[in-house]
Amino acid sequence: DTAVSQTPKYLVTQMGNDKSIKCEQNLGHDTMYWYKQDSKKFLKIMFSYNNKELIINETVPNRFSPKSPDKAHLNLHINSLELGDSAVYFCASSNGHDSNQPQHFGDGTRLSIL
Amino acid sequence: GESVGLHLPTLSVQEGDNSIINCAYSNSASDYFIWYKQESGKGPQFIIDIRSNMDKRQGQRVTVLLNKTVKHLSLQIAATQPGDSAVYFCAENMANDYKLSFGAGTTVTVRA
Repeated sequence: DTAVSQTPKYLVTQMGNDKSIKCEQNLGHDTMYWYKQDSKKFLKIMFSYNNKELIINETVPNRFSPKSPDKAHLNLHINSLELGDSAVYFCASSNGHDSNQPQHFGDGTRLSIL
Repeated sequence: GESVGLHLPTLSVQEGDNSIINCAYSNSASDYFIWYKQESGKGPQFIIDIRSNMDKRQGQRVTVLLNKTVKHLSLQIAATQPGDSAVYFCAENMANDYKLSFGAGTTVTVRA
C-alpha cells in the first residue's frame, strides 16, 4: 500500500550511459515532482507535472527528460550520465488543485556514476 | 536543545528533553510552510504544516510557530525520543505556486 513508489532504489552505472527512473503514486494526486538531493542533503526541485502537463522546469540540463504517461506516473530519463549526476532523486506528489497541500515523497533512487 | 540558522547544523538532545529546531525563510510572499522529517535511507516525511494566517499549530508532540515579522519558523518536539533522530527540513511555498523551497536541514541526534 506504498503511496509514492520509485524504482529502482539503487542505480549504479557508468558515465555516458542512459538510464531511467520510474515513479508511481496511488494517492489520487494530480501533481507530481522530481527532486534532487545532493551529498549535503540539500533538496532542489527539478520538474513538476500537473495533469500530465509540465508546470515547473528548474533550469535542469536537457539531458534530463521527464515523462508523465498519466496522472499517477512520472518517469525521469537521463541521457549521457555525468559524474555530477550522482545524487538521490526523489519523486513526490500532491493534490495540485490547492497548491497549499503537503507533498508526499517516495524513498528515493540512489544514483551512483562510476 | 535548540538549533539556529539555515546552515546544516546538528542538534544533540537528551532523550526526554524538548527540542527546538529553527528555520529562517527567505520569501516574504510565502504563505504556506511545512516541516519534514527525513530518516536515513528514506524520503522526507510530512510532520506538520502551517498557513500564514496562523502563528501556531499543534500536532502530536510537535508544535510549529510562525513569526512572519522576522520570517522565522520553528518546530518544537516535546519529550524527544530516539525515534526522533533524523534530518528535519523546513519548506516554504507561495500561493498558487507548486514550487516548494527547502531549507538546508537540521540533523537531530537523540542521546539515550
